Amino acid sequence: EAQVTQNPRYLITVTGKKLTVTCSQNMNHEYMSWYRQDPGLGLRQIYYSMNVEVTDKGDVPEGYKVSRKEKRNFPLILESPSPNQTSLYFCASSQVEYLAKNIQYFGAGTRLSVL
Amino acid sequence: QKEVEQNSGPLSVPEGAIASLNCTYSDRGSQSFFWYRQYSGKSPELIMSIYSNGDKEDGRFTAQLNKASQYVSLLIRDSQPSDSATYLCAAEGRGFQKLVFGTGTRLLVSP
Repeated sequence: EAQVTQNPRYLITVTGKKLTVTCSQNMNHEYMSWYRQDPGLGLRQIYYSMNVEVTDKGDVPEGYKVSRKEKRNFPLILESPSPNQTSLYFCASSQVEYLAKNIQYFGAGTRLSVL
Repeated sequence: QKEVEQNSGPLSVPEGAIASLNCTYSDRGSQSFFWYRQYSGKSPELIMSIYSNGDKEDGRFTAQLNKASQYVSLLIRDSQPSDSATYLCAAEGRGFQKLVFGTGTRLLVSP
């Protein structure tokens, strides 16, 4: 079954404690992306990756890091989480077959609370 | 000005009616537009994509695009209670690497 898998689904942590949210896709997609979703602000892109070792900032990259060492994995790293990073996070992937047809498949989401 | 704007709703329609959801975008360079459905606490699910001016129909859903007016809409015919969800409009931004989402319109379909 084609899917994007995020772990953990729920996480409560404390300010400053480094954490990693994993994302893995089994569709051999080149493109992967991380979003955060906050009430009234919608989905905002954090980082994206066009392929292995190719990453770039989205709209809200501050406080986050990513890496793309393998095509299937795109972890999101919070080196020193702060309460304003409490949010619902989604990973997405896409096959870039045609430039204009970037249809993204989303993971189930990770609800993060930073105390 | 937000790049993609939607009325947050809720939009309430009775079962069997047509629900009309609207979206405007600011980047005239955007070529591709998408409608996602998101149930509460779940991930967004793509329901329609549209790239050319005019209408695109898929079952009970019709997407409409007017690039001159920078306007995208989604019509849901014969609305069902199971259609109750938040509908996110998205536009391609700064090349195909990025999707810019609106904040979503909450749709409530009453039996």
